[in-house]
Amino acid sequence: AQSVTQLGSHVSVSEGALVLLRCNYSSSVPPYLFWYVQYPNQGLQLLLKYTSAATLVKGINGFEAEFKKSETSFHLTKPSAHMSDAAEYFCAVSVGSGNTGKLIFGQGTTLQVKP
Amino acid sequence: SAVISQKPSRDICQRGTSLTIQCQVDSQVTMMFWYRQQPGQSLTLIATANQGSEATYESGFVIDKFPISRPNLTFSTLTVSNMSPEDSSIYLCSVEPGPYNEQFFGPGTRLTVL
Repeated sequence: AQSVTQLGSHVSVSEGALVLLRCNYSSSVPPYLFWYVQYPNQGLQLLLKYTSAATLVKGINGFEAEFKKSETSFHLTKPSAHMSDAAEYFCAVSVGSGNTGKLIFGQGTTLQVKP
Repeated sequence: SAVISQKPSRDICQRGTSLTIQCQVDSQVTMMFWYRQQPGQSLTLIATANQGSEATYESGFVIDKFPISRPNLTFSTLTVSNMSPEDSSIYLCSVEPGPYNEQFFGPGTRLTVL
């Protein structure tokens, strides 16, 4: 069965520092992988997705993620954190294909950005 | 992508009552999903709703508690029935408009049950 593990429920960085949010997945078939961001009192916004094309995926707001099959990882990075990046981040894996896919979410990581 | 709206955005309800949440999409989509996000938790899928068929519920969720309607390709409702304080959560709908299973989410309905 597919699953997602996010290492670290809280990550704190200084403004301008590297952001690294970790995600490991378990899937019996090649997965589709996603990162979502949730700002306070808002819904989820898609940051980026991996769909078996390029292993390095660029998303919105300067974020990117690298799919590493050997490590079953899909870590999210951003070279320089901004105060506006403070939010909850969720990694998700698709458990189906075509039009029947469901998403399994990790537990989320709260990113704090300190001035 | 898709633009999704939900009504109400928040509500405070008494235990034993029911609340119906509406989800409206700006384009026709086959798949719609309903999620629950309990306080401080991740998202848990309640059910998948396809137009013209019964919703498919995940383990731990039943139709009597969470009846869903899907009358057309742009609209769905989720009812939370006979509510208890444990139902206090954010309820989100989402759609899957493309081929790669990415989902786009509505802003959520924040429900508090007293």
